[in-house]
Amino acid sequence: SAVISQKPSRDICQRGTSLTIQCQVDSQVTMMFWYRQQPGQSLTLIATANQGSEATYESGFVIDKFPISRPNLTFSTLTVSNMSPEDSSIYLCSVVATGRVDTEAFFGQGTRLTVV
Amino acid sequence: GNSVTQMEGPVTLSEEAFLTINCTYTATGYPSLFWYVQYPGEGLQLLLKATKADDKGSNKGFEATYRKETTSFHLEKGSVQVSDSAVYFCALTSNTNAGKSTFGDGTTLTVKP
Repeated sequence: SAVISQKPSRDICQRGTSLTIQCQVDSQVTMMFWYRQQPGQSLTLIATANQGSEATYESGFVIDKFPISRPNLTFSTLTVSNMSPEDSSIYLCSVVATGRVDTEAFFGQGTRLTVV
Repeated sequence: GNSVTQMEGPVTLSEEAFLTINCTYTATGYPSLFWYVQYPGEGLQLLLKATKADDKGSNKGFEATYRKETTSFHLEKGSVQVSDSAVYFCALTSNTNAGKSTFGDGTTLTVKP
């Protein structure tokens, strides 16, 4: 299994500002992802964080709004830029354990973001 | 692409009632199937999983069987408790989809005493 530490756990931010969320994993993992859960909704994949290269974004998400860093195999950050109230969501980091026969995703506890 | 269709909610039951939440999926390759639970104000927790056909995942009295022939992974519990009130998500992760997870829309369960 993989243990994921995500910071901050929650924050209240002013519109127009940016917030960087950190994700630290206790072991090296190849695949790391960022998801968003809007209020009352399911989880939507924002992007795949690639180590040593630019993140791969899903349709509807762009790098200017959600820049992602992945400097090594255990750490990633997601920045929510120029925030508006519509960005109020839970943001979750996820990893898929490397080398497993079965594919299992592990999730951080999430960052609950409120934009006012 | 991959998709997960989950029984619409919300579901309201009395304590000790039988619970079924339906989940069907479409996927390429050999997906692993999961049920996650999200208690009010908390993060996502893995409830149970099954990684191949006919596997049964179980935890805390909940069970789900990976049925390849019907592409289903229905969640069941014989006797629900008030503390089971939460949102339940069915999900799959496929090695043919670069490890990405696909989630159902979630089912809100409320158990009344």
